[in-house]
Amino acid sequence: NAGVTQTPKFQVLKTGQSMTLQCAQDMNHEYMSWYRQDPGMGLRLIHYSVGAGITDQGEVPNGYNVSRSTTEDFPLRLLSAAPSQTSVYFCASSLESDKNIQYFGAGTRLSVL
Amino acid sequence: LAKTTQPISMDSYEGQEVNITCSHNNIATNDYITWYQQFPSQGPRFIIQGYKTKVTNEVASLFIPADRKSSTLSLPRVSLSDTAVYYCLVAPISSGSARQLTFGSGTQLTVLP
Repeated sequence: NAGVTQTPKFQVLKTGQSMTLQCAQDMNHEYMSWYRQDPGMGLRLIHYSVGAGITDQGEVPNGYNVSRSTTEDFPLRLLSAAPSQTSVYFCASSLESDKNIQYFGAGTRLSVL
Repeated sequence: LAKTTQPISMDSYEGQEVNITCSHNNIATNDYITWYQQFPSQGPRFIIQGYKTKVTNEVASLFIPADRKSSTLSLPRVSLSDTAVYYCLVAPISSGSARQLTFGSGTQLTVLP
């Protein structure tokens, strides 16, 4: 049982490049979400999904797109990377019935130059 | 969502009991209190959740007074490996909420030898 798997673990981009952060879970959780974590600012919610085909914006959605075509996968896309998107990104999943207990991936450390 | 306030940092020594208090004055009737632990370079990990009075598991205890306007996470006999950031969250666990969990800045606990 792998839990929540994020790839890649590290990534360096140039300003304007695009990329997709991958997130997959094998727990059949309905709810998935993406957070970013910056020094001294805790975790901020970017986007979330309550099931396949359903996504919504969190606290800091600008510059990011998501889709949820399957229950297992919830990729996060940066269409045109900016230095302000340098951060550590975490994907999480939970049962819809108890979103307070979320299982987090190991994170992706992204640097945009 | 209820706003939470926790100390930014705390120091303790190995073997001591540590109590971290979280204030949530505007907690709603259907809100639960959840605590997470985060080690450097890792995603947050669920520790404990409660609604009222006291909850205990193999890792920690959670004390919630009758008015539920605060809660205290208690870690018995801490070790160096308990050095981490601890987050308090307050939110309903049932589905139907359009907005999801928001993590604050957390409490940096440093355990000293």
